[in-house]
Amino acid sequence: DTEVTQTPKHLVMGMTNKKSLKCEQHMGHRAMYWYKQKAKKPPELMFVYSYEKLSINESVPSRFSPECPNSSLLNLHLHALQPEDSALYLCASRASGGLSYNEQFFGPGTRLTVL
Amino acid sequence: GEDVEQSLFLSVREGDSSVINCTYTDSSSTYLYWYKQEPGAGLQLLTYIFSNMDMKQDQRLTVLLNKKDKHLSLRIADTQTGDSAIYFCAENRVQAGTALIFGKGTTLSVSS
Repeated sequence: DTEVTQTPKHLVMGMTNKKSLKCEQHMGHRAMYWYKQKAKKPPELMFVYSYEKLSINESVPSRFSPECPNSSLLNLHLHALQPEDSALYLCASRASGGLSYNEQFFGPGTRLTVL
Repeated sequence: GEDVEQSLFLSVREGDSSVINCTYTDSSSTYLYWYKQEPGAGLQLLTYIFSNMDMKQDQRLTVLLNKKDKHLSLRIADTQTGDSAIYFCAENRVQAGTALIFGKGTTLSVSS
């Protein structure tokens, strides 16, 4: 199973809502990532988890709260978002954070619209 | 961090070769990647190259790497209309937990 799954595929939420994005992989990968991609722009790194611990937060606003409850799951909790947060949110996983080649597998993304 | 640079647009005719260029920044990147993204779709890994290689060929795709100039290129032979997409080069940045840092993307338009 070389798949990263993300749910939901699409999400529409208001600025006062609380929602969560979910990412799952069963490849035994210990590095997991959240990226944000605006239309026609490159993916931008948000968070890196290594062995279930948050290792990198790229100065992301606190209205985005990541969580890694176990080695297979990565969540992104959303609260009080702004319309400019509308984007495709991509999850990825990798066998380790080391220097040997390990492909980074991307999920299909959650397309988020904030009204 | 510093940007990974790409030209933004490339337009070619079907059957021609396409060459997409990229300049990366992190000399400690061990791998460099090319991803393809079609409209409304996710990222598709096309190919990658190890930083101690000069060239890698994979069917219609040829990757050239000039490590001294930190220059990477992707050549697509016999370009087809189905190759129309945005192409991103990416480096794995060690300081970012070996996350991928992407260039801005090159939009390839193939006309018949």
